[in-house]
Amino acid sequence: DAGVTQSPTHLIKTRGQQVTLRCSPKSGHDTVSWYQQALGQGPQFIFQYYEEEERQRGNFPDRFSGHQFPNYSSELNVNALLLGDSALYLCASSLFGQENEKLFFGSGTQLSVL
Amino acid sequence: QKEVEQDPGPLSVPEGAIVSLNCTYSNSAFQYFMWYRQYSRKGPELLMYTYSSGNKEDGRFTAQVDKSSKYISLFIRDSQPSDSATYLCAMRKAAGNKLTFGGGTRVLVKP
Repeated sequence: DAGVTQSPTHLIKTRGQQVTLRCSPKSGHDTVSWYQQALGQGPQFIFQYYEEEERQRGNFPDRFSGHQFPNYSSELNVNALLLGDSALYLCASSLFGQENEKLFFGSGTQLSVL
Repeated sequence: QKEVEQDPGPLSVPEGAIVSLNCTYSNSAFQYFMWYRQYSRKGPELLMYTYSSGNKEDGRFTAQVDKSSKYISLFIRDSQPSDSATYLCAMRKAAGNKLTFGGGTRVLVKP
């Protein structure tokens, strides 16, 4: 049973560029959430996708956008990259509507903005 | 002030000792509480999941939630060097809601 998979594992970009990160959820899961984890800090919620729609959004600017596909996989797009966007980007999947819903995380994409 | 506070450590213990971790929070609406373990450059791994107040035990791990004090704890018995990692507490208000994380506590178990 494949867990949550993310690609690429590492990425180096320069300021002003755009980046797309990809995530495939754990088998049987239909909901994908994205988190940003700066070095030495806990993950911060970016947004959640269910049924191909953004359901919840954290305190992130519109430069951060996403998409969910019919097979439940998801993309995170960041435009006009800033140095402060350097972080580990984590994707988590779950099964929507479960009272004891549990999130399972991928290994993340390490983004470095130079 | 952050919604969830966690001592960053590092917390250094000898092998075989009990590791004691805790988080405090300010929002009484949190109902679901989790502990994750994160190794360097990896994603968080779910260790314990608790709903509302009470204790939960799973092998060497015990999670406690005291909602009246807005305080949660994780205890690791018979610690091993492989337990060396960053431990993150997380909580949410309802099913389907976002997780709010503490900043993590780095734990070092010395052989």
